[in-house]
Amino acid sequence: GQQLNQSPQSMFIQEGEDVSMNCTSSSIFNTWLWYKQDPGEGPVLLIALYKAGELTSNGRLTAQFGITRKDSFLNISASIPSDVGIYFCVYSSASKIIFGSGTRLSIRP
Amino acid sequence: DVKVTQSSRYLVKRTGEKVFLECVQDMDHENMFWYRQDPGLGLRLIYFSYDVKMKEKGDIPEGYSVSREKKERFSLILESASTNQTSMYLCASSLARGAYEQYFGPGTRLTVT
Repeated sequence: GQQLNQSPQSMFIQEGEDVSMNCTSSSIFNTWLWYKQDPGEGPVLLIALYKAGELTSNGRLTAQFGITRKDSFLNISASIPSDVGIYFCVYSSASKIIFGSGTRLSIRP
Repeated sequence: DVKVTQSSRYLVKRTGEKVFLECVQDMDHENMFWYRQDPGLGLRLIYFSYDVKMKEKGDIPEGYSVSREKKERFSLILESASTNQTSMYLCASSLARGAYEQYFGPGTRLTVT
């Protein structure tokens, strides 16, 4: 079946650093979604991508839909403490939804 | 704001007990979903519903059932809880079929002893 591979699994950052994470699939996708889960809460949608090559920003977050339609990238610029949480890439269609395993972002003390 | 509420944040049950997890959304959404979340596995879809009294199996329905008698309420039932059902359970809703954005509740952490 379709699978999403997300990397890295976890990362520790210094406040102010830029962050990059990515997601790859074994199949071609028509949409990519990025969700964030704050500690103790449910996930919240950050960015939705609908077209190959699409680059979309939401504040300090930028996500891209890969040209091959098999990958997507999420970048966070100038990280701040509230960026801590788990980031999920998600494939969603009318009949299917698949979550990646998540990237856990922590702030290095 | 869309609000999805779940009946409990924490629950402890014994093996073999019947467990009900309740979810309510207040935005008249058509779709509702139940997931379980385990470390390193992301969220896995258990069941979903596109309409009242309708239900469809997700990726891991074994050991679970659901009920949707009213549009705003979607219940997850563990007929006979087992220790491998210890997990975080998340409920979500979305506007209509094909709508990509899901709104999640805060989750119920279930421990089965």
